Amino acid sequence: DTAVSQTPKYLVTQMGNDKSIKCEQNLGHDTMYWYKQDSKKFLKIMFSYNNKELIINETVPNRFSPKSPDKAHLNLHINSLELGDSAVYFCASSFGTGGEKLFFGSGTQLSVL
Amino acid sequence: GQNIDQPTEMTATEGAIVQINCTYQTSGFNGLFWYQQHAGEAPTFLSYNVLDGLEEKGRFSSFLSRSKGYSYLLLKELQMKDSASYLCAVNRPRGGSQGNLIFGKGTKLSVKP
Repeated sequence: DTAVSQTPKYLVTQMGNDKSIKCEQNLGHDTMYWYKQDSKKFLKIMFSYNNKELIINETVPNRFSPKSPDKAHLNLHINSLELGDSAVYFCASSFGTGGEKLFFGSGTQLSVL
Repeated sequence: GQNIDQPTEMTATEGAIVQINCTYQTSGFNGLFWYQQHAGEAPTFLSYNVLDGLEEKGRFSSFLSRSKGYSYLLLKELQMKDSASYLCAVNRPRGGSQGNLIFGKGTKLSVKP
């Protein structure tokens, strides 16, 4: 019954590794997002997809590659992980692309050692 | 540039009233959201203002003044469970019908007995 679900909840890995985070929403929303929340709790948008099409890419390093196989799924793959990538990554969805109310997943806490 | 300011931390007593302020300077404005985030959890929607004035929802109210670039969240009859971070977010238009939410850094509220 979870509206926006993401896995894994925790991810601990070594510098230089590649990892993926998966996200799925069952709300029937057209738009999905990845947000990054750093240690100071600042929540910043990374990407937004609408019906599988990338519509927002906020100057994120190209080591981060989102993929949306369909409008209910948005995954995030990160290559060559760096210490500064440690953060909580939230997936979210909304009805449209106009800045509507966001529904967030429970977050993935990524720790790069 | 985009600037959303809110106090970093606040403390209040159980049963009291607290007001959390948010000021913003953004390139465009299509509404303002307040989200609540408990430690280790996802942000959840509290309120939305697009027109000037007060929106009341139970113990929580939110006020907006677009001319002053100012909003506040008012929490009445504080309960211990209200201890959380409160995030102010502005819906910034991006052209056409698109927009996205820009978040402030959040106000950590501690409710004491």
